Amino acid sequence: KNQVEQSPQSLIILEGKNCTLQCNYTVSPFSNLRWYKQDTGRGPVSLTIMTFSENTKSNGRYTATLDADTKQSSLHITASQLSDSASYICVVRGEYSGAGSYQLTFGKGTKLSVIP
Amino acid sequence: NAGVTQTPKFQVLKTGQSMTLQCAQDMNHEYMSWYRQDPGMGLRLIHYSVGAGITDQGEVPNGYNVSRSTTEDFPLRLLSAAPSQTSVYFCASSYSGEARYEQYFGPGTRLTVT
Repeated sequence: KNQVEQSPQSLIILEGKNCTLQCNYTVSPFSNLRWYKQDTGRGPVSLTIMTFSENTKSNGRYTATLDADTKQSSLHITASQLSDSASYICVVRGEYSGAGSYQLTFGKGTKLSVIP
Repeated sequence: NAGVTQTPKFQVLKTGQSMTLQCAQDMNHEYMSWYRQDPGMGLRLIHYSVGAGITDQGEVPNGYNVSRSTTEDFPLRLLSAAPSQTSVYFCASSYSGEARYEQYFGPGTRLTVT
């Protein structure tokens, strides 16, 4: 069964500090991996997408890495800000499931709290 | 562009009542989908549509109906609400279902069934 496991479940850090969130997946075949940020009471917003051939991708203070061999990804947040407080969701897109759709497997998310 | 809009934002239903959650997008996206998000679980796909007139079931379709008469709108119907359908519902759209296209999510509808 395709699974996406994220760790830690929750994390509290001081403003200005760095942190790294982890995502391990068993989805096969692999198409791409996305990290989403979900603010409380809002829908998820895409931060970055990683394909099989990409190892690292940055979006401002967010840097995602992918190791397709070990099926692991990480999201590193640099110089955290209060506005980074949110849930971060890892989503892996797998095989074509017919009728123009691809299978998506969502992680449960990591809840990050940045405190002053 | 308003993006993906959902109404209502909050709803309380009694068991057995019916209602329709509305979803609209103004990006001319072909692919639209409905998810539910429950505490401690990842988002789960309820139904999806690859274009007007075409819908298909996702992972958790029981108790929900959809239709897609226009490109812009993709309503989700609960025919007889049950407490197990208490959840936050998200509508999403993308240019197509292909891997390279990003999904845009609406703000969500928080539904409570008593």
